Amino acid sequence: RKEVEQDPGPFNVPEGATVAFNCTYSNSASQSFFWYRQDCRKEPKLLMSVYSSGNEDGRFTAQLNRASQYISLLIRDSKLSDSATYLCVVNIYGNKLVFGAGTILRVKS
Amino acid sequence: EAGVTQSPTHLIKTRGQQATLRCSPISGHTSVYWYQQALGLGLQFLLWYDEGEERNRGNFPPRFSGRQFPNYSSELNVNALELEDSALYLCASSLDGNGMNTEAFFGQGTRLTVV
Repeated sequence: RKEVEQDPGPFNVPEGATVAFNCTYSNSASQSFFWYRQDCRKEPKLLMSVYSSGNEDGRFTAQLNRASQYISLLIRDSKLSDSATYLCVVNIYGNKLVFGAGTILRVKS
Repeated sequence: EAGVTQSPTHLIKTRGQQATLRCSPISGHTSVYWYQQALGLGLQFLLWYDEGEERNRGNFPPRFSGRQFPNYSSELNVNALELEDSALYLCASSLDGNGMNTEAFFGQGTRLTVV
């Protein structure tokens, strides 16, 4: 089983739609969690950290479910500029950052 | 303040040769990660250095190696290059090795092409 698994997509959605991505992780010792965004042929950049209580940043909401070992990212009112690959990232304390393979989002007008 | 810098941006080598990729982390960052991203695939963890020591390595053969220097910059060496080593190699740095809610910042990568 992979350490971090994501649905690769692509998710093709119209502008204004709400879309959700899930990510599961296998190591229960995982301590911190992130969502990164990677645009085509560019380096990944942090979108948001994910906290146990869930957190929101504008149109983006991230949630963590430790019992089920998954995190989610919800994007409301999708914009064309949201088209990218979204990477789920898990940090195992004192170990390493593990990236999921990414979920491709395409927002169409 | 300068971000993570990688050099060279592009590298073309022939099969069997050796490649050396370099990474300078953000000032003050002690942790450096190396990832391989083959075309159309996700990031694969290669190596993690912190405070000059190798802390962890991914599932790659021993011909992938590296080191971290006292100034926290890092090198990735790939020996006996194979065609499938062609990929974008990304370096990231973070403030400390524990990584608790610590953002990792990426360089723009080195695109290695093996012919």
